[in-house]
Amino acid sequence: AQKVTQAQTEISVVEKEDVTLDCVYETRDTTYYLFWYKQPPSGELVFLIRRNSFDEQNEISGRYSWNFQKSTSSFNFTITASQVVDSAVYFCALSESFFGNEKLTFGTGTRLTIIP
Amino acid sequence: ETGVTQTPRHLVMGMTNKKSLKCEQHLGHNAMYWYKQSAKKPLELMFVYNFKEQTENNSVPSRFSPECPNSSHLFLHLHTLQPEDSALYLCASSQELGTGFSPLHFGNGTRLTVT
Repeated sequence: AQKVTQAQTEISVVEKEDVTLDCVYETRDTTYYLFWYKQPPSGELVFLIRRNSFDEQNEISGRYSWNFQKSTSSFNFTITASQVVDSAVYFCALSESFFGNEKLTFGTGTRLTIIP
Repeated sequence: ETGVTQTPRHLVMGMTNKKSLKCEQHLGHNAMYWYKQSAKKPLELMFVYNFKEQTENNSVPSRFSPECPNSSHLFLHLHTLQPEDSALYLCASSQELGTGFSPLHFGNGTRLTVT
């Protein structure tokens, strides 16, 4: 069975600091997808990124970067120069479905608070 | 309106009541989902519909009854709920299943409290 662990329940950092959110996953499949979603106070989850298991290249999008390490089954998310608008709950998710949408397994989320 | 809209935003109901949650998407998607979000637990997938046909029922108790009359609307009918059913219920949509990756688009959720 697949499992996603986000060990950090809550993190608080001062604005402009860098912060890394950890995600560790378990799966028996060789083909899978990993995701990060952001849930701001308004409630809706917002898709941030998807990676497939064959692509271990790190990705950077503005202040966001993701470090995928198959050897340690981790898919960590770093925000550099954090801003108050980054305050949200962040979810890591795993899907063993070829098409990635179905049967997502979510972690319990990390609540990130950016202190002005 | 754009995106995924859920109504009501908040709902308080007794255990003997019958109520319904509504979800509407204006994205032209053909797959719709119900998720349950409880405190300190992972999001739980409840139901999946693809072109109005239910493709997934994740062992959800029968006191939750979904309905998908068309690809734009999804309902969750509730009856004789238990206090442990109190949670945030999230609706999501995506392009139809089986045609390649499409990210989930979520609504703001309905905060349900069962008294």
